[in-house]
Amino acid sequence: QSALTQPPSASGSPGQSVTISCTGTSSDVGRYDFVSWYQQHPGKVPKLIIYDVTERPSGVPDRFSGSKSGNTASLTVSGLRSEDEGNYYCCSYTSTNTLVFGGGTKLTVL
Amino acid sequence: QVQLVESGGGVVQPGRSLRLSCGASGFTFSSYGMHWVRQAPGKGLEWVAAISHDGRSKNSADSVKGRFSISRDNYRNTLYLQMNSLRPEDTALYYCAKDPYKYTWGGGDSWGLGTLVTASS
Repeated sequence: QSALTQPPSASGSPGQSVTISCTGTSSDVGRYDFVSWYQQHPGKVPKLIIYDVTERPSGVPDRFSGSKSGNTASLTVSGLRSEDEGNYYCCSYTSTNTLVFGGGTKLTVL
Repeated sequence: QVQLVESGGGVVQPGRSLRLSCGASGFTFSSYGMHWVRQAPGKGLEWVAAISHDGRSKNSADSVKGRFSISRDNYRNTLYLQMNSLRPEDTALYYCAKDPYKYTWGGGDSWGLGTLVTASS
């Protein structure tokens, strides 16, 4: 159950787009379309922003989008806003009926 | 609206036990898988355990396997985490989360505020 690999940090200026990668293996990200992404502001509860690789829960802006290619999933945030600053975690279902999270990426809006 | 309220956390000596509870409301509890996820101070999210809607399928992370046990009571709309042989590295904020599906492959679409467990002498 090794954690998924995310870059520790990412940044962009307001209005720009930024993409955060999440690399797993053929036993998790590469095998199932059950990848989810969470946004967490300091001291707050994680919030689901993408599920099933590409789906957005109601209320999540369409500036957030997800994709997957092989063993790597990606979260793209378009039209960056100051409130997008925070920590982002990916998560995948695995072949052993478990979930595994990424280490998290701290997004900074410059 | 979905509401999840964790309880049962506290300070406990290493080697002792604790049982966490998560009361659910605002949705049909018996129709969804449920998870426990923890977050150590200043660290990232770690999946701990999950259970299917009917309790027949459950699993846990290698880091807690054999020590922690997840269960649910669909009549009381409550999720549990029995934590035995606690270690200092189990110190974390423990969240319960609702899966979007009957089983436990979707992650958490709703989360509680968490309950803090501190294993320290």
